[in-house]
Amino acid sequence: DGGITQSPKYLFRKEGQNVTLSCEQNLNHDAMYWYRQDPGQGLRLIYYSQIVNDFQKGDIAEGYSVSREKKESFPLTVTSAQKNPTAFYLCASSPRHLIAGELFFGEGSRLTVL
Amino acid sequence: DAKTTQPPSMDCAEGRAANLPCNHSTISGNEYVYWYRQIHSQGPQYIIHGLKNNETNEMASLIITEDRKSSTLILPHATLRDTAVYYCIVRALGANSKLTFGKGITLSVRP
Repeated sequence: DGGITQSPKYLFRKEGQNVTLSCEQNLNHDAMYWYRQDPGQGLRLIYYSQIVNDFQKGDIAEGYSVSREKKESFPLTVTSAQKNPTAFYLCASSPRHLIAGELFFGEGSRLTVL
Repeated sequence: DAKTTQPPSMDCAEGRAANLPCNHSTISGNEYVYWYRQIHSQGPQYIIHGLKNNETNEMASLIITEDRKSSTLILPHATLRDTAVYYCIVRALGANSKLTFGKGITLSVRP
């Protein structure tokens, strides 16, 4: 089935460690996105990519990094510079960047910093 | 992007229609109204979107007022599985447009 796969579903890390969250899609979508969600809050955009080898900062990019070397993959690295990394991270894709249609979301990755 | 205002929560009885309101008084002429929902600890799911006219699909109906300053999402026969947070979002088309999710409205469907 076509869709978006995020892994791992749950992740624990110690303070000061970098961690990379995986996001893979087989929908042949050009655009991909990373959002962060804190308890009881809406989603905040971290980074987005409209095309391979290109990405833009969202509203809360500090402490995060991404790459888009392949159309299918958009990994997110949470670096030690992110002051409060414990959150629910959601990856999404769309056929083209918000030209038409909707975002398709993965099931999320829950990161806990110990 | 224009902002939206939604009540924090509402409930309805199973089998009845759920009418979820959204105010977007500063919406621009080229901005669409989108609705998503998020069931607890899952990724959001697209429901419907519209520009001016009312829209209907297999999940819901979207009613947009003539002045476009507000809209209502209607779930015609709510079930317990419709319990979720519903997000109303407005955005324009274009490469610089971002989809911004607020806190949404929590719908609780009671048996």
